[in-house]
Parts: sequence; C-alpha cells; structure tokens
Amino acid sequence: QKEVEQNSGPLSVPEGAIASLNCTYSDRGSQSFFWYRQYSGKSPELIMSIYSNGDKEDGRFTAQLNKASQYVSLLIRDSQPSDSATYLCAVRGNFNKFYFGSGTKLNVKP
Amino acid sequence: GAGVSQSPSNKVTEKGKDVELRCDPISGHTALYWYRQRLGQGLEFLIYFQGNSAPDKSGLPSDRFSAERTGESVSTLTIQRTQQEDSAVYLCASSLDWTGDGYTFGSGTRLTVV
Repeated sequence: QKEVEQNSGPLSVPEGAIASLNCTYSDRGSQSFFWYRQYSGKSPELIMSIYSNGDKEDGRFTAQLNKASQYVSLLIRDSQPSDSATYLCAVRGNFNKFYFGSGTKLNVKP
Repeated sequence: GAGVSQSPSNKVTEKGKDVELRCDPISGHTALYWYRQRLGQGLEFLIYFQGNSAPDKSGLPSDRFSAERTGESVSTLTIQRTQQEDSAVYLCASSLDWTGDGYTFGSGTRLTVV
C-alpha cells in the first residue's frame, strides 16, 4: 500500500507571496507524481506532473521532486486569492491508479 | 461526451437502502476509475475498469459495493444496504488507456445516508 502524507494546513500566505506545499510518500519505487487542485465542492483538477528529480516549472507553479528523500513539493509564486483551494498530492501506481494524500488547504489573503 | 458526466449530482438515501451511481466517461476512453472522498479527506481508490473488465477492484470496501461497465461506456457503482459511513462524494475519472497521464474527474455524486 502506497502512503502519501501531506500537512492538512491551513497554510495562510499573503497575496503575492510564495506558497510552498509539501508531500512525502512511502514507496521508494514510485516513479510518477502529480499535484491536483480542488476548490471547495468541486472535483480535483490536474495542475502538474513530475517524473524526474529536480524542478519542473509551469507558469507560476513549480513542482520539485527528490526521490532519495521521497519528497515532492509544489511552489506557487505570486500567490493570488484565486489560488485558495485544497492541493492534493498523488502518486501513480499500477494501471494508472492514483494514491492521494489528504490534501493541504491553502488560503491566500488579499 | 466532452467531459466525464456523473449522475445524480446529489443523493440522499435512508440507511439500508440500495443506491446506484452512474458515470459516463469521455468518448473513446477505455480506462475508467471510481474513487471515494470522505469529508476533509483525500481520494480513496475503489475500482478500475479497462473496457468492461475490472482488473483491479481492490479498493471496494466491502461486498456491499459492486460496479459494472458496459463495453467502453457507462459504468454504474452500486452500494447495497447503505450505511452512514458510506456518506461521501463518489468521483469517477476516465483516461484514454491505463498508461495515460493524470486523468479528468467528473463532478462527482454526493451521497448522504441518513
């Protein structure tokens, strides 16, 4: 069973700041990692995927992966109130099945 | 269709009743997944379909839960003799096949057992 751990938060940051979201996973053999954003009452939407050690940037979002430490993070630069949501970390298993963390709630204060 | 469609969007049922939840995947997507999300929790995998077969049903929590899929089309998740702990949002997702990248979720069915 793959375990994915996240701090539930809430993480509060002021508008314009960098939000840093963290995730650890238990299965050292995991290869593929994903970040989903979930607004209250809505279904999750995929925002980033990362497969290799290092950083992957997409607009204001940067995903970071350290397989040796079994650690994935998501940085959101220039945070906006519209970024306020719960961020779910997911690890892919067999047959494209995902193991999700319980999510970190982010509040961006205007 | 253009997206993953789920119905009903909300369902309130009495404890002990059976419920059926429906998922209509994106046209052409052969892989279909059911997840459950309890309030304030992450998503729990329930079952995976490839076509109309279910290679992985390891997440079904008890024998009260079953699912079927017709060809590469609609899937139904059935919960028999519902219990209060079954209250959750049930999410369906589909992908082109099982090798794909992150998939698209439907809007979910919020099930409340009273």
